[in-house]
Amino acid sequence: EVQLLESGGGWVQPGGSLRLSCATSGFSFSNYGMSWVRQAPGMGLEWVSGISGSGTVTSYSDSVKGRFTISRDDSKSTLYLQMDSLRDEDTALYYCAKDLEPCSSAICYERGHDYWGQGSLVTVSS
Amino acid sequence: DIQMTQSPSSLSASVGDRVTITCRASQSISRYLVWYQQKPGKAPNLLIYSASSLQSGVSSRFSGSGSGTDFTLTISSLQPEDFATYYCQQSYILPLTFGGGTKVEIK
Repeated sequence: EVQLLESGGGWVQPGGSLRLSCATSGFSFSNYGMSWVRQAPGMGLEWVSGISGSGTVTSYSDSVKGRFTISRDDSKSTLYLQMDSLRDEDTALYYCAKDLEPCSSAICYERGHDYWGQGSLVTVSS
Repeated sequence: DIQMTQSPSSLSASVGDRVTITCRASQSISRYLVWYQQKPGKAPNLLIYSASSLQSGVSSRFSGSGSGTDFTLTISSLQPEDFATYYCQQSYILPLTFGGGTKVEIK
């Protein structure tokens, strides 16, 4: 059974940092690209960042570029999101999501994400 | 970035109704369109990819169509478990972008 479990969320002041983790099981982690998608309270979905199965290709939304860093540790089957210089508008529930298709050398996002975690809440407030 | 516009933003329907949700892209995305269903307090659930391919395990009452800039999600006969918010997402180019969502409520 495929499982994704986020952790690391919490409350932080503007300008602070947090690192989210997404522990996975039930599939060959290194063969799949992964993404982070967030949802502000009562709002819609926003893609934040993605990484290829090999970890060599990464991409970010303009709203987080230069502040967030996505990475992965295949030995632990875990995805990370380092969030620095946090702003009020980063407050959201952060989901990790698995690409539908296996693809190690690119972020193969064309067919969407078939498994999602339950989310980790990040609150940025003074 | 490609803008995705869904309509309507909400609708009320009865069990058994046929429901259609529209999604429009700000530029052609070929058939790189994904639909998700999200229930309150839950993560999104993949329904359809490549505009019309049904994800494994998803009921056949869900169907998708369209290409280029205009797409639709149809629920052929609305069931109680289908009351949720539906999102389209373009998967043509990064950054991936979502529509604003369509909330399907019970009439």
